[in-house]
Amino acid sequence: DAGVIQSPRHEVTEMGQEVTLRCKPISGHNSLFWYRQTMMRGLELLIYFNNNVPIDDSGMPEDRFSAKMPNASFSTLKIQPSEPRDSAVYFCASSRRGGEETQYFGPGTRLLVL
Amino acid sequence: AQSVTQLDSHVSVSEGTPVLLRCNYSSSYSPSLFWYVQHPNKGLQLLLKYTSAATLVKGINGFEAEFKKSETSFHLTKPSAHMSDAAEYFCVVSDYDYKLSFGAGTTVTVRA
Repeated sequence: DAGVIQSPRHEVTEMGQEVTLRCKPISGHNSLFWYRQTMMRGLELLIYFNNNVPIDDSGMPEDRFSAKMPNASFSTLKIQPSEPRDSAVYFCASSRRGGEETQYFGPGTRLLVL
Repeated sequence: AQSVTQLDSHVSVSEGTPVLLRCNYSSSYSPSLFWYVQHPNKGLQLLLKYTSAATLVKGINGFEAEFKKSETSFHLTKPSAHMSDAAEYFCVVSDYDYKLSFGAGTTVTVRA
C-alpha cells in the first residue's frame, strides 16, 4: 500500500496568495483528517471527514481556511488569503472507520508564507 | 476529558543502551493509547497501539510499551538503541472517538 499521499511536500508563497494542499488517503479508508503542526501549539486537528462529509471542522482557524473532499480518494485544504502565521507543517491522515481506529499519517506539507 | 503528559522533553542515550520514554495519561474512559515516531522532515509513523487486549504491547523496530492502569502510564521502551532511533516520539490517547490528544513530544538523540 502506498500510504497517505500529500502534495506538494514543500510550499513557499507570499502573503495574500492562495495555497492549496492535496491529500490522497489510503484506499478503503473512509475517514480523513487534516492536522497542523507548529512549535508553539503542537499537533492540532483542523477538520475530520467521514464518508466524504465534514463531521467536525471546529479546529479550522478562520474563514480563510476551507477543506473539501469531493470523493473518497481526494481531499484539499485551501488557505485564501495566506498569512505568515499560517506557516506550519500540514498533515493529512486517514483511518478505516473513524472512531478509535488507528490514524495513518502522510508525510506532510511544509508551508512557509513570507 | 483526555490528556497526555510526556515527562521528558529530551532523552539522550548511547547506542546499544536501553531507551525509556515516559508517558502519563488522563482519561474518563477505557482509552486507546498510541506511540508515534516522527523522523526529521517526515510524517508520523505508528509504533504501536494499546486497545485493552494485552497490557504489554509490542511494536515495530523492537519497541514495546506497557499499559499500567493503576499508574495511568504507558511508557515506551527499547532494550538497545540504534542510531536510526533518533527522532521525536509522541504519546497519544483517544478516549472513545476520533479525537486524539497528543503529548508534547520527546526528542531522542543517540550517541555513537
